[in-house]
Order: sequence, then structure tokens, then C-alpha cells
Amino acid sequence: GAGVSQSPRYKVTKRGQDVALRCDPISGHVSLYWYRQALGQGPEFLTYFNYEAQQDKSGLPNDRFSAERPEGSISTLTIQRTEQRDSAMYRCASSSLVVGSTEAFFGQGTRLTVV
Amino acid sequence: QQQVKQSPQSLIVQKGGISIINCAYENTAFDYFPWYQQFPGKGPALLIAIRPDVSEKKEGRFTISFNKSAKQFSLHIMDSQPGDSATYFCAASGGNTPLVFGKGTRLSVIA
Repeated sequence: GAGVSQSPRYKVTKRGQDVALRCDPISGHVSLYWYRQALGQGPEFLTYFNYEAQQDKSGLPNDRFSAERPEGSISTLTIQRTEQRDSAMYRCASSSLVVGSTEAFFGQGTRLTVV
Repeated sequence: QQQVKQSPQSLIVQKGGISIINCAYENTAFDYFPWYQQFPGKGPALLIAIRPDVSEKKEGRFTISFNKSAKQFSLHIMDSQPGDSATYFCAASGGNTPLVFGKGTRLSVIA
């Protein structure tokens, strides 16, 4: 597609359920990033991939969060046993170079609400 | 710790005025400093970016000033327009560190 596509756009889930958020990056983009953005705040880094390899997962809040990008394209961020504090906008971005010093294109995000 | 500190948190500027947003960083390995613009309901979009080999970059009404020794950079919006009203984020990356963002500045340009 023309841009970074995220699905679903909105997700409401009950506390304790698992959720999977999907990101389809711009075709050919090597690097893929996951961020979490609270209302009125800047994006907070979670993890990123170069091709299929997860390079840095230091921003994942705890072991309930995981991400994969098995074929170096689409990525899934999974949150297990969701808690209310997980409610946020989750944003995916992709860029064309392996090294981080280039433009990252953001998707529209997935608004997660845990009730 | 917060790697990029941004100020002010909010800014009100009259139409035609100059908007100035500042950022400071600590990590000397950073070598890429973009500014992102975000409208309500949208994802952040790259506005302008600079690398540390230059002290200033201008694109239309938008200018980044970069001070390597002070580890600071700023965004200047000349002739600010109501359509510039948005949230602006500075960011930095480099070495093995992916983009880290400031907390954002909500700009309101009033007629």
C-alpha cells in the first residue's frame, strides 16, 4: 500500500484478554518500529525490527508485551492478559534504511481500550 | 530517563508571528534530529530534519537551528498561520538508538 497500515483502528477488550495489533509497513521498508502514545504525549519507543530480526525490545513495558515480524514485512504486537493501564494509542512506523537516521513514516495507529 | 527534553508544553502565537520550540538532548551519539507535526486523529508526519554537520536548515517557513556544543536544537515557524496549529514533536536518533521523541508542544495560532 501507499502508507503504513495498522489494524484494527480501534480495539476494545476486557481486562485479562489477549490482543494482537497488526502493522503492514510501506512496501520495501527494512525497519519497523512500534511506539505507544498516551494522550497529549510524545510517542514512546517499544521495540523495532530490521528485516525479521528484533533489534531492540528495551521499551516493552513487561513480559506481557511481545512483537514479531516473521517474514520481514508485516508485524504483530501482542499484549497478553491486558490491563487497564495498557490503554493507549499504539503506533507503528517504518523506514527505508537499516540505520535509524532516516525518515520514519507513521501509521494511523490502533486505539486500544481495556475495560 | 527522558532522552529529549522539549519546551514549551504549549504555545499561543498570533497569525503572522514566529513560533519557536526548543529541544535539548544528552546522547552525543545522536546524529539525526527531525521535527514531526501531528494533527488531531492523525499519526506524526515528518516536517523537517537536520544532521549535526550543519547549524541551520530551512524549508519554506520552517527552520531548524542546531547547536551541537550546547546539544540543543529548535524549530522556528515564520509567518505562523492558523493551519500550523498542531502538536509538534522533536526527536533524535543515532548509533543504535531508534527515534526517541520529546513530549510535544501544542501550538495554537490565533487570528
